[in-house]
Amino acid sequence: GENVEQHPSTLSVQEGDSAVIKCTYSDSASNYFPWYKQELGKRPQLIIDIRSNVGEKKDQRIAVTLNKTAKHFSLHITETQPEDSAVYFCAASLLNQAGTALIFGKGTTLSVSS
Amino acid sequence: KAGVTQTPRYLIKTRGQQVTLSCSPISGHRSVSWYQQTPGQGLQFLFEYFSETQRNKGNFPGRFSGRQFSNSRSEMNVSTLELGDSALYLCASSLAGTGIYGYTFGSGTRLTVV
Repeated sequence: GENVEQHPSTLSVQEGDSAVIKCTYSDSASNYFPWYKQELGKRPQLIIDIRSNVGEKKDQRIAVTLNKTAKHFSLHITETQPEDSAVYFCAASLLNQAGTALIFGKGTTLSVSS
Repeated sequence: KAGVTQTPRYLIKTRGQQVTLSCSPISGHRSVSWYQQTPGQGLQFLFEYFSETQRNKGNFPGRFSGRQFSNSRSEMNVSTLELGDSALYLCASSLAGTGIYGYTFGSGTRLTVV
């Protein structure tokens, strides 16, 4: 089955700096890679996603890159702000004959200090 | 448009008891997935239902089961509760027909086993 590794588990940056979170996946058939942000006490929310036919996607200060050959994808946050502090989860789609599901990494706790 | 609704929000049970959690997806969403969230372990996949059929199942013991009704509402059941079952249980709904779309999570049910 699919396995998703996420690094680092914690990340501390100064306001204005960039933050990068990296994930690797095991199933070469995976074709959908979303990122979720979970603020303390709240539900995870989708912030950006990428499909396997695209190498990079941007949305304002956040971007995701995908390297299918190496089976890894990364989240980039530029000009970080204190409100970016949260737990970020990457995920990869699990594909089999029955259907699809999302397998998540263990999360990265991002702390942005002002 | 109503979001994903999970009930109850909080639950305290005794070891050995069983528990049933409920999830109502976004109207029109036919896929419901369940995840267990614990500190340090991230979001662990339990199972996914689509049109009343379980399509995928994670690596959890048989004490964890679920079902989906014709109106797409889903329930998960945990029998013979153990202390280690204490966690936040999240469900997520998706349009997911043959492909993968972004999940929308509910607020979760916080289960405490004493």
